[in-house]
Formats: sequence, structure tokens, C-alpha cells
Amino acid sequence: EVQLVESGGGLVQPGGSLRLSCAASGFTFTNYWMAWVRQAPGKGLEWVADIKEDGGQKYYLDSVKGRFTISRDNAKNSIYLQMNGLRAEDTAVYYCARDRPADIESATHFGYWGQGTLVTVSS
Amino acid sequence: QSVLTQPPSVSAAPGQRVTLSCSGSSSSIGNNYVAWYQQLPGTAPKLLIYDNTKRPSGIPDRFSASKSGTSATLDITGLQTGDEADYYCGTWDSSLLGRVFGGGTKVTVL
Repeated sequence: EVQLVESGGGLVQPGGSLRLSCAASGFTFTNYWMAWVRQAPGKGLEWVADIKEDGGQKYYLDSVKGRFTISRDNAKNSIYLQMNGLRAEDTAVYYCARDRPADIESATHFGYWGQGTLVTVSS
Repeated sequence: QSVLTQPPSVSAAPGQRVTLSCSGSSSSIGNNYVAWYQQLPGTAPKLLIYDNTKRPSGIPDRFSASKSGTSATLDITGLQTGDEADYYCGTWDSSLLGRVFGGGTKVTVL
């Protein structure tokens, strides 16, 4: 059974930093891209970043470029999101999601999602 | 404002059919596969449709989808109270070099 478990959310002041983690199990981690997707309170889904199976390629939402960094540790079957310079508009539930398989470039779906971790940016 | 356009809400009686639309552009839906997600209240999103028309294992055939040009649709037949949820379309945008979603459609069963 595929499981994605996020952790690391919490309350942080504007300008502060937070590091989110996602532990994956139930599938061959190194065969998949992985992603972070967020959802502000009462709003829709917004893709944040994704990372290639070997960590060699990363893509980011324009509004987080230069502030957020996605990374992965394949030995620990985990991905991370280092968030610096946090703003009120970053307040959201952050979901870890299994992205496309490494060998299917055309795939665009997120096959599995974690339960999310809430990040609140407020003074 | 979302890159993909979805109507905010749709409603129908139990047993009826609803059709949800998702409109994009040539750089998004026009040249990439579309996926659909269901988000029940208070839960994480769940994949409903991928590669425009395919259902993951366990998704009932009451859910079907199609794509034409720069638009996609999701059909739900035999509507049930358990189908009350937000539904999102999503794809890759080749110009933005990122994933994009629609704003979501709330389905209400009357």
C-alpha cells in the first residue's frame, strides 16, 4: 500500500523558515518524480515544486523560486521542502504527492497524495 | 486566478448526471494529458482520472472523462450523496514549465 506521510508544519512568523518532510513507502521510490502541492484555506490546489527521481531536475512555481528548495534522500525514501522567507500568502496545507513515473515523460498526474501538513505564516 | 478554468459549482439530484468542464490552452490541455481529482470534505485529493480518460483501479465506471482540443470534461452518472466533493482538473503547462490546476468545481447532490 502506497503511503505518504508529511511532517514539519506549524506556525511561523513572516520572514521565517520551515522544513517539511515526506516519508514514502509501498512503492519503488527511485522510480518516480515527487512533488509538493499546497492548498490555502478555502482555496484550490496549487502545485509548488517537483523533483526528478535522481534529484537532477527540479521545477518550481514562480512565486516560490529563490525562497523554496525541494530535495530528496533516496536512501531514506523521503522528500523535503525547505521554505525560507515565508509570507502570509504561503499559508496552506502542503501535500506531498507521487508524481510521474521516471520512464513515462508524458504522464501528468499525481497518483497518490499524503494527508497534508498545515503551514501558518502569521505574526 | 487559475490557469485552467472550471465552473465554481454544479448541482443535481441523486441518480442524475453531471458534466464538469475544464478549459485551458494549447500549451496546457491542448498538448498534454489531463487528470481529474476528487477531494471529499476535509480530506486529501484523490486521483479519479488520468491520461485524459483512464480510471485507476477502484474508481467506478460512473466516472468518465474526455478531452477535445483545449478543453476536457468529467462526467458523473448515477449521482450519489457520497459524490459531494470538489473536483479539480490538472495538467502540465509547456509554457509555464509547471503543473497547473483548475480552480475546482463543487458538486452538490440536491
